[in-house]
Amino acid sequence: ILMTQSPATLSVSPGERATLSCRASQSVSSNLAWYQQKPGQAPRLLIYGASTRATGIPARFSGSGSGTEFTLTISSLQSEDLTVYYCQQYNDWPATFGQGTKVELK
Amino acid sequence: QITLKESGPTLVKPTQTLTLTCTFSGFSLTTSGVGVGWIRQPPGKALEWLALIYWHDEERYNPSLKSRLTITKDTSKNQVVLTMTNMDPVDTVTYYCVRFTVTTFGFDYWGQGTRVTVSS
Repeated sequence: ILMTQSPATLSVSPGERATLSCRASQSVSSNLAWYQQKPGQAPRLLIYGASTRATGIPARFSGSGSGTEFTLTISSLQSEDLTVYYCQQYNDWPATFGQGTKVELK
Repeated sequence: QITLKESGPTLVKPTQTLTLTCTFSGFSLTTSGVGVGWIRQPPGKALEWLALIYWHDEERYNPSLKSRLTITKDTSKNQVVLTMTNMDPVDTVTYYCVRFTVTTFGFDYWGQGTRVTVSS
């Protein structure tokens, strides 16, 4: 299953809302996760089941969608959120990741 | 506290076999619903899932690399080992060890990663 993220780069001002999109080439139901990866670090699980926040993830991160269209929203961008985000489907093996969206300062 | 740490060679020659070990703590691979796997990432590029082994010994592999991969576990040592045969310079990437659970179906804990270079 091919996962396509858009945009490749998103420019956002601190305090603004950031909306990241992920599209699957076929339905993955709600079997979708989002990860955040900071430079030089391993990815961190943010969201699973398309909309459930993982342990310790701030409430400003939310996920929505089902089927083939998904969204990660950061409600009020903080400086530490300026990094790369990946979506991943686990509806079918092999698990596959999108190519990432980089959130940068506007 | 759950931790995972990868170990293995940082440099291998083309055609050689790579063996990576993941040593983990804070959970058991005998617990129902738990798995440990491997994911890799070229510099500045996307993530690629490689393999996973479950608590009940089931193994899963990425079909694109299945012929080259073997994943095994040693529950007494809290270790999972990945072997990849016939290494090529395109396999020069960072390899991550990850925990998987059927609770989230996500990779909820990651090792720090180990960079492997394939060069003669």
